[in-house]
Amino acid sequence: AQSVTQPDIHITVSEGASLELRCNYSYGATPYLFWYVQSPGQGLQLLLKYFSGDTLVQGIKGFEAEFKRSQSSFNLRKPSVHWSDAAEYFCAVGARSGGYNKLIFGAGTRLAVHP
Amino acid sequence: DAGVTQSPTHLIKTRGQQVTLRCSPKSGHDTVSWYQQALGQGPQFIFQYYEEEERQRGNFPDRFSGHQFPNYSSELNVNALLLGDSALYLCASNREHYGYTFGSGTRLTVV
Repeated sequence: AQSVTQPDIHITVSEGASLELRCNYSYGATPYLFWYVQSPGQGLQLLLKYFSGDTLVQGIKGFEAEFKRSQSSFNLRKPSVHWSDAAEYFCAVGARSGGYNKLIFGAGTRLAVHP
Repeated sequence: DAGVTQSPTHLIKTRGQQVTLRCSPKSGHDTVSWYQQALGQGPQFIFQYYEEEERQRGNFPDRFSGHQFPNYSSELNVNALLLGDSALYLCASNREHYGYTFGSGTRLTVV
């Protein structure tokens, strides 16, 4: 079955510290891969996506993610966290074939940032 | 340029009632998808509409139904509401493959 696992439900980091949010997926083939961020009371905003090519993907707000096929992972990183990065982060996968756009999301990781 | 607009933002319904949620897609987008996000969970795909037809459906009962209008706007209807239907309902629109724009959602509380 297709699934996305985000092992860390809640992470707390200090402002200025580095960040890595983990994401593992189970899929029949290499899917499209996404990271979204959700602030309280808001919808989802796309941070970055991987379709093909370079396995290190740059996104908005200084985030990057690395696709590792051998580990079925797509971890999100940021070298220096800002207080405004406090939010919920969701990893998602999408099918490459079929012409559809259904996303399968993980349960999310809530990020808290200490001053 | 307005993004995805959802209405209402919040509503409270009683068990057994019916509810209709509305979504206006981003300008230029022709596909609308609906997701249910229960508290503390990631969004779950309900269904997707394109050219006024339901194109794909997730694992949701028939109590959940939808519609897309010629102007690409969409409605999500839920009949015979259960307490477990309480969630944030997100609408997303796109034109190109996976080019989603999400709305801010409708928070439904069933009491």
